[in-house]
Amino acid sequence: EAAVTQSPRSKVAVTGGKVTLSCHQTNNHDYMYWYRQDTGHGLRLIHYSYVADSTEKGDIPDGYKASRPSQENFSLILELASLSQTAVYFCASRGWSTEVFFGKGTRLTVV
Amino acid sequence: AQSVDQPDAHVTLSEGASLELRCSYSYSAAPYLFWYVQYPGQSLQFLLKYITGDTVVKGTKGFEAEFRKSNSSFNLKKSPAHWSDSAKYFCALEPSGGSNAKLTFGKGTKLSVKS
Repeated sequence: EAAVTQSPRSKVAVTGGKVTLSCHQTNNHDYMYWYRQDTGHGLRLIHYSYVADSTEKGDIPDGYKASRPSQENFSLILELASLSQTAVYFCASRGWSTEVFFGKGTRLTVV
Repeated sequence: AQSVDQPDAHVTLSEGASLELRCSYSYSAAPYLFWYVQYPGQSLQFLLKYITGDTVVKGTKGFEAEFRKSNSSFNLKKSPAHWSDSAKYFCALEPSGGSNAKLTFGKGTKLSVKS
């Protein structure tokens, strides 16, 4: 079964601090995604990637950076965390003709 | 630009009734369409997808969806509904063909099935 592993699963960060969320997939998938989920907004796409060493901006990229150093790993970086970035973050991966497989999510609280 | 609209934030029905969750999309060409389900406290799980061909697609857990190009809709259906179907359901769109991998989700519909 396809596996997407996120770490950490939960994090409390200080306003203005740097946060890195990590995602690792063992599916040999080309596409990887970072979404955030907020009540009333559903899932919103932050960044995505379809090949290593390349990332694309999604619908809400401001305040976030992404890094795809290898096919298996995709990180989301908050250089200066803000209160508005408190949310649940989901990483996902997809093959060329497969459905999307999601990780279990990371609950980020910025205080 | 692509977008997905799920007009009903909440749907409540009784066990045994038929359920239909609405989804409409906006995209200039033929889309790939998906439904995902999220149980409380869990991640999203794939239910079904429409790529091409038959306009009625069947998925897991007894769900099916009908693609209607005429009104740009992809509604999810199940009959009868069971209390265990209570969850949040998301419709999603992916552009067909090419290397555009952008997958866009609707805001979701929270389904409550009363036993």
